Amino acid sequence: QKEVEQNSGPLSVPEGAIASLNCTYSDRVSQSFFWYRQYSGKSPELIMSIYSNGDKEDGRFTAQLNKASQYVSLLIRDSQPSDSATYLCAVNCPMDSSYKLIFGSGTRLLVRP
Amino acid sequence: EAGVVQSPRYKIIEKKQPVAFWCNPISGHNTLYWYLQNLGQGPELLIRYENEEAVDDSQLPKDRFSAERLKGVDSTLKIQPAELGDSAVYLCASSLDGWGLAGGNEQFFGPGTRLTVL
Repeated sequence: QKEVEQNSGPLSVPEGAIASLNCTYSDRVSQSFFWYRQYSGKSPELIMSIYSNGDKEDGRFTAQLNKASQYVSLLIRDSQPSDSATYLCAVNCPMDSSYKLIFGSGTRLLVRP
Repeated sequence: EAGVVQSPRYKIIEKKQPVAFWCNPISGHNTLYWYLQNLGQGPELLIRYENEEAVDDSQLPKDRFSAERLKGVDSTLKIQPAELGDSAVYLCASSLDGWGLAGGNEQFFGPGTRLTVL
């Protein structure tokens, strides 16, 4: 059973702070990792993808990947109330001759004005 | 560039009735996915198409669900007959391809269809 684990939250941070969202995964051979943002009643929106160990920065977002620890995280700097949403971690897991994107259940982020 | 288009956005039906969802992927995207999302959960894959071929339908309840992707572009997902437990959001997503590590496997979602079965 391939699993992606996230703390459901809510994670509450004040406006302007750094929000840190974490995700662990069970399949060691996974190669592709994604973070999606989902506002209430909306569909998931891709915000970051990461394929190599280390950090990847895009604006206020930084994704961090540590394959040895099977851990991926998302940092949001200068958090804004508009960042309040559920953040889904997704891991592309090879399966036989195919693959499947496995999602965590998401972490709800609340940014307090 | 237009995103993934889905219709209808909302559907309310009585149990045992049929229902169909339609998806038009991003232009040029060869891979199309149908997901089901329950409240408080992440999306779960139902079926994946590479062009017109269904390459992973292991999670599709084939006794009542069917899907097709004619000509490798638009796709339709059907439920017949619907059951109360089918109430969920049905999401369609597409990607350039399924295997590339250089971003080709990034999946982009449509707005979804919220199904309520009474």
